[in-house]
Amino acid sequence: KNQVEQSPQSLIILEGKNCTLQCNYTVSPFSNLRWYKQDTGRGPVSLTIMTFSENTKSNGRYTATLDADTKQSSLHITASQLSDSASYICVVSDRGSTLGRLYFGRGTQLTVWP
Amino acid sequence: EADIYQTPRYLVIGTGKKITLECSQTMGHDKMYWYQQDPGMELHLIHYSYGVNSTEKGDLSSESTVSRIRTEHFPLTLESARPSHTSQYLCASSELTSHFLDTEAFFGQGTRLTVV
Repeated sequence: KNQVEQSPQSLIILEGKNCTLQCNYTVSPFSNLRWYKQDTGRGPVSLTIMTFSENTKSNGRYTATLDADTKQSSLHITASQLSDSASYICVVSDRGSTLGRLYFGRGTQLTVWP
Repeated sequence: EADIYQTPRYLVIGTGKKITLECSQTMGHDKMYWYQQDPGMELHLIHYSYGVNSTEKGDLSSESTVSRIRTEHFPLTLESARPSHTSQYLCASSELTSHFLDTEAFFGQGTRLTVV
């Protein structure tokens, strides 16, 4: 069964600190992995997208890594800001259908305190 | 910034009413999707479309219906709303390429539906 599991479920950090969010998946055959940021009451916004051949990708203070062998990804946030408070969702796409089906994790709820 | 819009943002409606959630995108994307999301839970695909006159049901059983008469417009309709339909509904779109799989999916802001 294709699944995406994220940890931790929630995380509280102080402003200026770094943090790392984890994503494990069993989606096969794998196509790509995306990290989205979703503010409360809003739609997800893409942070990064990585294909099988990419190990790391950065977008400002966000750095995503991918280990396709172990089927793990991480999202590292550097020098956190209050505006980073949101849900971070890991999404994996497969190659097994013409739709390119997207499998969503439940997200990690990050709260940044001043 | 994504050019995909959903209306209304919030809707409170009585049981049994018919409602239509609107979704429009100005990016010329062929693929469009409707997702349902409950608090703290993952998004579930309820409908999708490859283009005009194409509509398919997703993974999650839904009593809603969709139509795709124009490329830019993908409305979702509930003929008779029930409290179990209370949820957040997210619309998304992406390009349809020969490779299918590596295109960005852009999401709307969502519609928070409450059926009382």
